[in-house]
Amino acid sequence: EAGVAQSPRYKIIEKRQSVAFWCNPISGHATLYWYQQILGQGPKLLIQFQNNGVVDDSQLPKDRFSAERLKGVDSTLKIQPAKLEDSAVYLCASSIGTGGMNTEAFFGQGTRLTVV
Amino acid sequence: GDSVTQMEGPVTLSEEAFLTINCTYTATGYPSLFWYVQYPGEGLQLLLKATKADDKGSNKGFEATYRKETTSFHLEKGSVQVSDSAVYFCALRNRGTALIFGKGTTLSVSS
Repeated sequence: EAGVAQSPRYKIIEKRQSVAFWCNPISGHATLYWYQQILGQGPKLLIQFQNNGVVDDSQLPKDRFSAERLKGVDSTLKIQPAKLEDSAVYLCASSIGTGGMNTEAFFGQGTRLTVV
Repeated sequence: GDSVTQMEGPVTLSEEAFLTINCTYTATGYPSLFWYVQYPGEGLQLLLKATKADDKGSNKGFEATYRKETTSFHLEKGSVQVSDSAVYFCALRNRGTALIFGKGTTLSVSS
């Protein structure tokens, strides 16, 4: 079974530029998550989708971050404009569960973003 | 809100030593508890999980028991190997919400 795919693996941009990350979850997984992992910290949820609807985006900095999940499959996360403090690894994860189920989440390799 | 607290690292051990990484949580209701591991250069992988009180999760020689009375889920291994060197994250999931992670504990095992 293919895992969660993310691209690119690495990205270096200058501050105030824009960047986009792509995620393809495991086939059949209804729920998709984007996490931000700053060096030395645990992953922090940015946004959670169930199918193509947003379940939780309370920690997404909406003035600069946006995400979509068209057709309930692939997802993109965009930052515009980027700030130095956005340097982090952006992780995509998916899980099969919906509703109140506490099922396992599977993670992609992540995209390491460096803002200079 | 829900949260996870795990011991600060780094933890440095010799091969075959006993490992404990402490994890406590704060949550309403009955969350599921997880340990994830991140090996150098790799993504997060589920190591073990427990879904209800007194459950013991185990995998690759690692164990953790869901203790509701002490709100804890400590990770243990009787004899660590160099290949266990990684960052370990304790996490919880409550009523279908996204995983909430601790800050991570770096384990370094030397031969």
